[in-house]
Amino acid sequence: DAMVIQNPRYQVTQFGKPVTLSCSQTLNHNVMYWYQQKSSQAPKLLFHYYDKDFNNEADTPDNFQSRRPNTSFCFLDIRSPGLGDTAMYLCATSRDFYNEQFFGPGTRLTVL
Amino acid sequence: ELKVEQNPLFLSMQEGKNYTIYCNYSTTSDRLYWYRQDPGKSLESLFVLLSNGAVKQEGRLMASLDTKARLSTLHITAAVHDLSATYFCAVDLITTGNQFYFGTGTSLTVIP
Repeated sequence: DAMVIQNPRYQVTQFGKPVTLSCSQTLNHNVMYWYQQKSSQAPKLLFHYYDKDFNNEADTPDNFQSRRPNTSFCFLDIRSPGLGDTAMYLCATSRDFYNEQFFGPGTRLTVL
Repeated sequence: ELKVEQNPLFLSMQEGKNYTIYCNYSTTSDRLYWYRQDPGKSLESLFVLLSNGAVKQEGRLMASLDTKARLSTLHITAAVHDLSATYFCAVDLITTGNQFYFGTGTSLTVIP
């Protein structure tokens, strides 16, 4: 089945220790997104790629970066995680802009 | 900035009862999505509403869209415990490069 896969599903890291989250898709979609979702809140868009074109949301902290080496994979790098970065991180894809988004299972990140 | 409001934020209802969740948004859009999220899980797509007057039904859930009123509803018929989850609506604006604007979410608990 075509799908969106995220690894790891759970990640615990220490304050300030870099962490990388991974997302892959078999849907061959052009657009990939990263969202941050804190407890009891709606998902918040961090950035997206259309193919290799990167778009950073204005209020995404500089601490968060992303890479998309090919169509299938996208990574979220948090350079120096703070306690406030504890959240669920969701990857999503869509075939094109203005299309339905399909979400991966998420990575639950805990910063200690 | 587009605002998307859902009400109620919290809903506790008895099994077998009917209820409606409302999603209001502040700017013109003709694309609205409903997602379900179980605790600790990702977002599952429920409905995609692409035009004024669109109505879709799946099991005990029915969603509708009135673009003139900028309102979508998610109606629950004869609720069962398995429907307990958080429901999000999301509005899509092509003018903003495909940013999904999520509603605040409605946490539904169905009591036996």
